[in-house]
Amino acid sequence: ILNVEQSPQSLHVQEGDSTNFTCSFPSSNFYALHWYRWETAKSPEALFVMTLNGDEKKKGRISATLNTKEGYSYLYIKGSQPEDSATYLCAFLNQGGKLIFGQGTELSVKP
Amino acid sequence: NAGVTQTPKFRILKIGQSMTLQCAQDMNHNYMYWYRQDPGMGLKLIYYSVGAGITDKGEVPNGYNVSRSTTEDFPLRLELAAPSQTSVYFCASSSRDVAYLGQPQHFGDGTRLSIL
Repeated sequence: ILNVEQSPQSLHVQEGDSTNFTCSFPSSNFYALHWYRWETAKSPEALFVMTLNGDEKKKGRISATLNTKEGYSYLYIKGSQPEDSATYLCAFLNQGGKLIFGQGTELSVKP
Repeated sequence: NAGVTQTPKFRILKIGQSMTLQCAQDMNHNYMYWYRQDPGMGLKLIYYSVGAGITDKGEVPNGYNVSRSTTEDFPLRLELAAPSQTSVYFCASSSRDVAYLGQPQHFGDGTRLSIL
């Protein structure tokens, strides 16, 4: 059984706050770790695909790190804005092509 | 650019009816996936396929069937619809080419299915 866990389940922050979420995944049979941003009534939008231990990726105010040996990834948002409100999903891709999603972290940013 | 196309967008079924959710992609992707969206649970993998003629079970396959006779199409079939299958269904695809490791999944717009 592939277990992908995200924490926290939900987060409420004020505009300007910085925040981070965690994604835990199996450390064996690793192929890639995906992060997606998912707004209500839309399809998930890809943020990052990370493949190497120690990878760090950045897109504007959002960045992510990867530790494949211990099986976790962090997503950081610097200076949160109301438009960052969404559910953030991580997904673990194994070497057999199976892509399993975590349950997501729902972020709400208040002006 | 069509990408991943899902049909229908909405459907209401009666308990016990059957239907097929269609998914087509025009990017020559090897990998295709079906997910269902459950509140507070993110996306649950129903079935996936790594190429034409190959399918495999995901996390929640019971009550569903799939086939992959071509690279482009990956239909999902519900044989005896049950209220527990009320959900939003997403189809996705990705490449298995050399550059594949850096490529995310491409999602369809989803099919909203209600079973009454």
